[in-house]
Amino acid sequence: DAGITQSPRHKVTETGTPVTLRCHQTENHRYMYWYRQDPGHGLRLIHYSYGVKDTDKGEVSDGYSVSRSKTEDFLLTLESATSSQTSVYFCAISEPSGAKETQYFGPGTRLLVL
Amino acid sequence: AQKITQTQPGMFVQEKEAVTLDCTYDTSDQSYGLFWYKQPSSGEMIFLIYQGSYDEQNATEGRYSLNFQKARKSANLVISASQLGDSAMYFCAMRGIFTGNQFYFGTGTSLTVIP
Repeated sequence: DAGITQSPRHKVTETGTPVTLRCHQTENHRYMYWYRQDPGHGLRLIHYSYGVKDTDKGEVSDGYSVSRSKTEDFLLTLESATSSQTSVYFCAISEPSGAKETQYFGPGTRLLVL
Repeated sequence: AQKITQTQPGMFVQEKEAVTLDCTYDTSDQSYGLFWYKQPSSGEMIFLIYQGSYDEQNATEGRYSLNFQKARKSANLVISASQLGDSAMYFCAMRGIFTGNQFYFGTGTSLTVIP
């Protein structure tokens, strides 16, 4: 199994508060991703990183920011949490190897915004 | 634009029978990869199988095989000899080589294996 951890695993917060989720990998993979999973939508990409300090937006990036100061850590910040950001958040990693580049996922973080 | 479509929200299969989960895709890329993931009720995402767009043979991994029909843009997952532990959500995903490193996921199919 790929060495990917996410913290916290569960969080309850209030509307308007900032929240930071952490993804940590031990695989030294260059690419890291943040997804959210909601019923009926599958997984949707929020942001991804292709190297230290190199990030780009995904499909649903509004209200989220990311940072990557080290290869192993990718942080997702909800600047001012809203109830619509209640979701399960998954981190994933991959290493470029042509088309066969497979993503491996962390265990997920359940976030409830009240 | 890339798009993955899974039209079966839920499927049932008898234990020990085979089942096919449908996936169609749309892409402007000539070179791309297709993936299937399993998500059991515990929540983790488990990689199952990969098919490259230039692979001439269908991919197989144990009881999983991918029925790849390039002209029809379909990449169906076939699970043979279903087991109770196969009950889970299954997601089809795609990545295009020349459209960045974004993976695109379908909405998933919930499979229930009946004893």
